[in-house]
Amino acid sequence: QVQLQESGPGLVKPSETLSLTCTVSGASIINYYWSWIRQPPGKGLEVIGYFSYRSTNYNPSLKSRVSISADTSNNQFSLHLRSVTAADTALYYCAKLGALGLGYFDYWGRGTLVTVSA
Amino acid sequence: DIVMTQSPDSLAVSLGERATINCTSSQSIFYSSNNKNYLAWYQQKPGQPPRLLIYWASSRESGVPARFSGGGSGTDFTLTISSLQAEDVAGYYCQQYLSLPWTFGQGTKVDIK
Repeated sequence: QVQLQESGPGLVKPSETLSLTCTVSGASIINYYWSWIRQPPGKGLEVIGYFSYRSTNYNPSLKSRVSISADTSNNQFSLHLRSVTAADTALYYCAKLGALGLGYFDYWGRGTLVTVSA
Repeated sequence: DIVMTQSPDSLAVSLGERATINCTSSQSIFYSSNNKNYLAWYQQKPGQPPRLLIYWASSRESGVPARFSGGGSGTDFTLTISSLQAEDVAGYYCQQYLSLPWTFGQGTKVDIK
């Protein structure tokens, strides 16, 4: 059974960098595709980006500020979002893409709330 | 970006009755090369992450009860709960995965009448 767990600071100051880590168990990150998705309080879902061992793709709305990287030795991948504002306050999920990297999400972490505030 | 629009925003259905949620995409998400619609449905209960219910518009994910079914093609899709159970009270989201960036509908909240 694939399990994902997000971790990182729950509070980030405006203009700073939001950094989160997703720890995966039950599957090797080099064999599948993975994604970060966020959900502002009371709002809908937005895909931030996805990555595989060979490629990375970001939502154009965030592309200038976002990067996703992998730590294969610890079976983790990370999100870095620079120059955050209050609009980046959200519940951040990491998720696994479907078979062959198809863009639906079959496993999700429980999410971690990040608040951007001074 | 492909815009996904769900209707209604919320609905209340009696236990055992049918619930139907609609999802419309701003452009076709049917890919003729493989004859598939690139649409998924998710259920999200309060305090929980979304759960994949349906992919390819009508393929039920493993472990999802048979009362959940998906239909439609091109730009118009539906999620049907054939006999609403108390545990089905949740938000439901459609999502297209044909074209980057993948996008979700705004969600539909289902409650018991």
